[in-house]
Amino acid sequence: GQNIDQPTEMTATEGAIVQINCTYQTSGFNGLFWYQQHAGEAPTFLSYNVLDGLEEKGRFSSFLSRSKGYSYLLLKELQMKDSASYLCAVRRSMGGNNRKLIWGLGTSLAVNP
Amino acid sequence: DADVTQTPRNRITKTGKRIMLECSQTKGHDRMYWYRQDPGLGLRLIYYSFDVKDINKGEISDGYSVSRQAQAKFSLSLESAIPNQTALYFCATSGSVGTEAFFGQGTRLTVV
Repeated sequence: GQNIDQPTEMTATEGAIVQINCTYQTSGFNGLFWYQQHAGEAPTFLSYNVLDGLEEKGRFSSFLSRSKGYSYLLLKELQMKDSASYLCAVRRSMGGNNRKLIWGLGTSLAVNP
Repeated sequence: DADVTQTPRNRITKTGKRIMLECSQTKGHDRMYWYRQDPGLGLRLIYYSFDVKDINKGEISDGYSVSRQAQAKFSLSLESAIPNQTALYFCATSGSVGTEAFFGQGTRLTVV
């Protein structure tokens, strides 16, 4: 089957570092995305991993281990505006150019002063 | 201006009414999608289109229909709205090589 698991909620302190984990089970893995979504707003793209390893983009980094079906999003120097839901999505190849995105339910992060 | 624009942003409608949600994009993408988002259920795909002549059902297409009027326009219709279609609806686009998706600002639909 296909499944994505991520924690429902996390809390962290302003200025700290937080790691949000995502585990997945799917065939035809073709990449993993992280999106940020503030309440009532559109998801916005944060990062993309298709090969194993760490991708760094400013305060945000994302890691992927395909053999373990595992990814994490690392947020450094947390700011209050980072309070949002973080969505993990796995792209699955269905053959040819046909790809399907499977979405996790999101991790709601609360950053406290 | 937003790259992906949805109209209306908010709508309250009565049970049994027909309603259309519209989406237009200026990114020049071939692929367009309609999702709904409900608390605790995440994003669920309703319909998607890889080009003007290609329309596909997603995981929850019952009660919905779509029209791809042009590369830039993809509309979602609820033929006879029911209360459990109350949700936040998102349109999204992606390039033909399947890169990241870009989302519209969402339409909050309430069916009473």
